[in-house]
Amino acid sequence: EPEVTQTPSHQVTQMGQEVILRCVPISNHLYFYWYRQILGQKVEFLVSFYNNEISEKSEIFDDQFSVERPDGSNFTLKIRSTKLEDSAMYFCASSPRTGPGYEQYFGPGTRLTVT
Amino acid sequence: AQSVAQPEDQVNVAEGNPLTVKCTYSVSGNPYLFWYVQYPNRGLQFLLKYITGDNLVKGSYGFEAEFNKSQTSFHLKKPSALVSDSALYFCAVRDDNFNKFYFGSGTKLNVKP
Repeated sequence: EPEVTQTPSHQVTQMGQEVILRCVPISNHLYFYWYRQILGQKVEFLVSFYNNEISEKSEIFDDQFSVERPDGSNFTLKIRSTKLEDSAMYFCASSPRTGPGYEQYFGPGTRLTVT
Repeated sequence: AQSVAQPEDQVNVAEGNPLTVKCTYSVSGNPYLFWYVQYPNRGLQFLLKYITGDNLVKGSYGFEAEFNKSQTSFHLKKPSALVSDSALYFCAVRDDNFNKFYFGSGTKLNVKP
């Protein structure tokens, strides 16, 4: 069964550094998402992406964040200058279509630790 | 605004006993409700969903959920728990634009032999 994959599984970085989290969505999916989960808190929506542009973003997704689908298979989340509070588990998800009945398929997550 | 609440951080149950993981919701329109499970070092895996129709929804691994409109609940159930069911369970609601999910805080299910 096709799966969403994410790399790396764990990333440690120093405050102020740039990080890029990578995701490979399921190949025939058209909608892509990033969520994050700070330890002990809810899974929160960050951004959705369709047709090579952001379709929606949350208030968390400020100018320090960006997303890209550089080559038709990868979907990346970049944090330009990391802060301590960016430490979280970041989940990528994809969906073939959007609509009430379509579930999103999630990757295993990247644990980002900012020191 | 859409939201879901999972009132229990943890549920403990003995193997073979029935289990219930609770979820209540608050929505401004029609509720589109989902359950996901997360095993260690794995992504969120879809279990089941309620869109419309029968209030009892059956999903993967023998799980089912009962949609109750009057109590605004969508509790996850299984008649006979397995040790392998031990995991983190998330309830979620779809937003009005069918775009993002709003997740609950998660409930850790511990099934003891």
